[in-house]
Amino acid sequence: GQQLNQSPQSMFIQEGEDVSMNCTSSSIFNTWLWYKQDPGEGPVLLIALYKAGELTSNGRLTAQFGITRKDSFLNISASIPSDVGIYFCAGQLGGGSYIPTFGRGTSLIVHP
Amino acid sequence: NAGVTQTPKFRILKIGQSMTLQCAQDMNHNYMYWYRQDPGMGLKLIYYSVGAGITDKGEVPNGYNVSRSTTEDFPLRLELAAPSQTSVYFCASSFGQGGSPLHFGNGTRLTVT
Repeated sequence: GQQLNQSPQSMFIQEGEDVSMNCTSSSIFNTWLWYKQDPGEGPVLLIALYKAGELTSNGRLTAQFGITRKDSFLNISASIPSDVGIYFCAGQLGGGSYIPTFGRGTSLIVHP
Repeated sequence: NAGVTQTPKFRILKIGQSMTLQCAQDMNHNYMYWYRQDPGMGLKLIYYSVGAGITDKGEVPNGYNVSRSTTEDFPLRLELAAPSQTSVYFCASSFGQGGSPLHFGNGTRLTVT
């Protein structure tokens, strides 16, 4: 099945560092979503992007909807230990399409 | 609101046994989904439903069955468990309008030996 290209696959960083991850696709999406999965739990929505070029922040998180509609990135500033988890991007066509396409995830480990 | 509730949290099955993973949501969402998550492989869609009485196959439906008799419940059935079905299973729901985010349960960790 179709999947997004999400990179990097994993990151090992020191507390306080900034983090950047991205997703690219050969298809256009009308919505980009970023989820975080804490260990032992289900993914939880972090940021939703609905317009090409949109830049949205949620605390230390910033995400952008690429102008081509084929990519998105997520930045985390000044990482802290509780940022540990798996981050997933998801693209949705919208309209009559209700099945999101997920990236394979970026596993983030933050060393204190 | 409880959101999406999955039971059980953990289960060990022997090869050939059957079981039902339960999923319930209290958000009046029309759309519900079952995913499996294997290490490094992301989320793979097993089955989904756009409303009571309507279900459809996802990317990896073989070995599974679903039913949707009510808006709230979307159980996933494994008839003849196989080691390849060892995974973490997530149920999710959404309003289903284009761009609506998914709300996930906390998963069922299944081991088949």
